[in-house]
Amino acid sequence: EVHLVESGGGLVQPGRSLRLSCAASGFSFDNYAMYWVRQAPGKGLEWVSGINWNGGIIAYADAVKGRFTISRDNAKNSLYLQMDSLRGDDTAVYYCVKVLRPFYHYDMDVWGQGTTVTVSS
Amino acid sequence: QSALTQPPSVSGSPGQSVTISCTGTRSDVGGYDRVSWHQQTPGTAPKLMIYEVNNRPSGVPDRFSGSRSGNTASLTISGLQAEDEADYYCSSYTSRTTFEVFGGGTKLTVL
Repeated sequence: EVHLVESGGGLVQPGRSLRLSCAASGFSFDNYAMYWVRQAPGKGLEWVSGINWNGGIIAYADAVKGRFTISRDNAKNSLYLQMDSLRGDDTAVYYCVKVLRPFYHYDMDVWGQGTTVTVSS
Repeated sequence: QSALTQPPSVSGSPGQSVTISCTGTRSDVGGYDRVSWHQQTPGTAPKLMIYEVNNRPSGVPDRFSGSRSGNTASLTISGLQAEDEADYYCSSYTSRTTFEVFGGGTKLTVL
């Protein structure tokens, strides 16, 4: 069974940094693209960033470009999101999401349970 | 503002059918067979209900179906049940990023 477990969320002051992690199990992590998707309180889902199976294709939403960095360690079955220069509007639940098919980087499939990031002084 | 446009809310009575629309452009919904629908109930993570316009993952009831016409995709839920009450989000591949983009979400109320 596929499991995605996010960690690293918490309360952080504006301008500071935070690193989220996603531990994957139950599938061949190194064959699948992965996404970070967030949901601000009471709001809809927002795609944040995506990375293909080997890290060769990466993209970011305009709202986080230049501040967030997605990466993966296939040896550790882990996905990361380095978040710098955090702002209040980055406050959200952050989900790690797997795609449906190996070597494709679309068709989101399985979602983690999310980790909450709160940016406040 | 989301890249894909959904109605904020829809409603229906048990047993009825409802349809939720998702409008994009030729760069996303209209250009690729890569539209998905995700269901989210309060306090839980989203769950994939439809992928590639009209395919259901294992375990999703056949009451859920998807379609597309031009730049608009649709999710139809027939034989509404109380447990279908949730937020529904469409997503689509977009050539702008080569990943996906979401709609703003639609709250389904079962009367």
